[in-house]
Amino acid sequence: DAKTTQPPSMDCAEGRAANLPCNHSTISGNEYVYWYRQIHSQGPQYIIHGLKNNETNEMASLIITEDRKSSTLILPHATLRDTAVYYCIVRVGAGSARQLTFGSGTQLTVLP
Amino acid sequence: GAVVSQHPSRVICKSGTSVKIECRSLDFQATTMFWYRQFPKQSLMLMATSNEGSKATYEQGVEKDKFLINHASLTLSTLTVTSAHPEDSSFYICSAGSLATDTQYFGPGTRLTVL
Repeated sequence: DAKTTQPPSMDCAEGRAANLPCNHSTISGNEYVYWYRQIHSQGPQYIIHGLKNNETNEMASLIITEDRKSSTLILPHATLRDTAVYYCIVRVGAGSARQLTFGSGTQLTVLP
Repeated sequence: GAVVSQHPSRVICKSGTSVKIECRSLDFQATTMFWYRQFPKQSLMLMATSNEGSKATYEQGVEKDKFLINHASLTLSTLTVTSAHPEDSSFYICSAGSLATDTQYFGPGTRLTVL
């Protein structure tokens, strides 16, 4: 599975959009981009995933560049409860049956 | 939907005892479950992949005789830490794969402290 690069930490003001970048320049054509987050002392929470089209759900939007070498997770209106470590994971499809390899992620801190 | 539970959430035991951790998918069937371990200030590390009705596949460096995994049904996998030692103290997290959504969902984790 392709390696990802994320900034170690970011701050965001409460109520503003949080834009979390992820670089995956070696991604292959059959690899998906997954985003999870982990709030302190809890299990990771699934946020969103996509292949090449932009995706949106009730939690966030995922913007994947046309060359698929990078992506951005957008939390449209960050709240204090969004403070967590966000993991960008690239993995060949079949998300239910293949392992997820976690990197170090981005610590997002939402400030009041 | 897609809820995964773990029991217990926290356990403290003496060195040399065995501890069993249960992972259940509450509202979906999971043919594949995964067990991770997370040490303080570190990321999650995959320990093993558990498939219903077959033997688990362990990652390199994980002792299969020390970390016994049983996946007896489509909704339950158990991890038993045998003869636990202080260095086994960690946060153990399971995940279950949902075929319906092609996504993995994680349990809340179990904090193990071995004295």
